[in-house]
Amino acid sequence: AQSVTQLGSHVSVSEGALVLLRCNYSSSVPPYLFWYVQYPNQGLQLLLKYTSAATLVKGINGFEAEFKKSETSFHLTKPSAHMSDAAEYFCAVRYNFNKFYFGSGTKLNVKP
Amino acid sequence: KAGVTQTPRYLIKTRGQQVTLSCSPISGHRSVSWYQQTPGQGLQFLFEYFSETQRNKGNFPGRFSGRQFSNSRSEMNVSTLELGDSALYLCASSSGTTSSGANVLTFGAGSRLTVL
Repeated sequence: AQSVTQLGSHVSVSEGALVLLRCNYSSSVPPYLFWYVQYPNQGLQLLLKYTSAATLVKGINGFEAEFKKSETSFHLTKPSAHMSDAAEYFCAVRYNFNKFYFGSGTKLNVKP
Repeated sequence: KAGVTQTPRYLIKTRGQQVTLSCSPISGHRSVSWYQQTPGQGLQFLFEYFSETQRNKGNFPGRFSGRQFSNSRSEMNVSTLELGDSALYLCASSSGTTSSGANVLTFGAGSRLTVL
């Protein structure tokens, strides 16, 4: 079955530290990959997407993610965390058809 | 460009009642998907409508139903509400073009349903 795994339901970093949120997918066929962010009481907002054009994808708010086929991973990073980055982050994949599979989410806490 | 609009944003119902939630997609988007979000289960896919037809369906009981109108607006209905139906219901629209990498989901702010 196709799935998305996000390691770590909660991640805590200090302001200014590196942010690394992990995402692995299960498929031999490279899918379309996405990262979304959700702030409290809001819907999900697209951070970035991978569509096979380039393995390193840059998104909004200084986030980027690297597609590694050999590791079936699409980890999200940001060099320096800001207090406003505190939110929940979801990794998602889409294969054929319009069905998206979401990971269970990682809540990012940023300490001052 | 207007985003995805969901109404109502908050509602409270009692067990056994039914509820209808509405979603207006981004202009030009033909696909509307619905998700249920709860703290314990995360994001769960309910169904997707494309051009007024249900194209994909998740694993929810028949109490959960939906429809899409000719203007792409969508509604979902939950009948005979249970306490466990309390959740944030998210609607997302997309172009629905399955082979395009540009096809992404744009979410509304959600409808928070509380069942007492």
